[in-house]
Amino acid sequence: AQSVTQLGSHVSVSEGALVLLRCNYSSSVPPYLFWYVQYPNQGLQLLLKYTSAATLVKGINGFEAEFKKSETSFHLTKPSAHMSDAAEYFCAVSRSGGYNKLIFGAGTRLAVHP
Amino acid sequence: KAGVTQTPRYLIKTRGQQVTLSCSPISGHRSVSWYQQTPGQGLQFLFEYFSETQRNKGNFPGRFSGRQFSNSRSEMNVSTLELGDSALYLCASSLAATRVRGVGTDTQYFGPGTRLTVL
Repeated sequence: AQSVTQLGSHVSVSEGALVLLRCNYSSSVPPYLFWYVQYPNQGLQLLLKYTSAATLVKGINGFEAEFKKSETSFHLTKPSAHMSDAAEYFCAVSRSGGYNKLIFGAGTRLAVHP
Repeated sequence: KAGVTQTPRYLIKTRGQQVTLSCSPISGHRSVSWYQQTPGQGLQFLFEYFSETQRNKGNFPGRFSGRQFSNSRSEMNVSTLELGDSALYLCASSLAATRVRGVGTDTQYFGPGTRLTVL
């Protein structure tokens, strides 16, 4: 069975500081991993996805994530936080042949302070 | 290109009633998936439809059902509503061409959701 754990339900950073949102996965088969962002009263927007190509994945809005198989992790980072990054972030996993069933983590709410 | 649209955006129902939610995928997308989002359980997969056939299902009771039409539009229905069904229901669409290796990498594009409140 697949699962995703996001460490820290709330993360607070200052504007301009590094953003690090943690995600660990469990999968018995090679996983495909995703990060989505959700702004208030909106749906989910894809930030980036890992599909077994490069382990360092670059996404939109300056975000990137690194797939580390040995650590079963897929942490999301951004070098410099912006006020507009305040939102909820979800890590998700699916697998080849699993069609489009995404298993989501519980989410991390990011607050950015001036 | 227009995104995924969901109607209605907000619904208020009472216990025991039934409700139908609608989702129009991005033009050309053939797969539609539904998710339930609640503060307690988070985001949970309900089911996926492709070419008018349900090809994947989550762990929800039979009160939750869906269908897909020939134009790929999808509806989900919840019968005999319970208080715990109050949630944001999200629809996602993707190309999902055929059953081949790598289909799990298909990018899903989400709609804004339907907020259902059961009183």
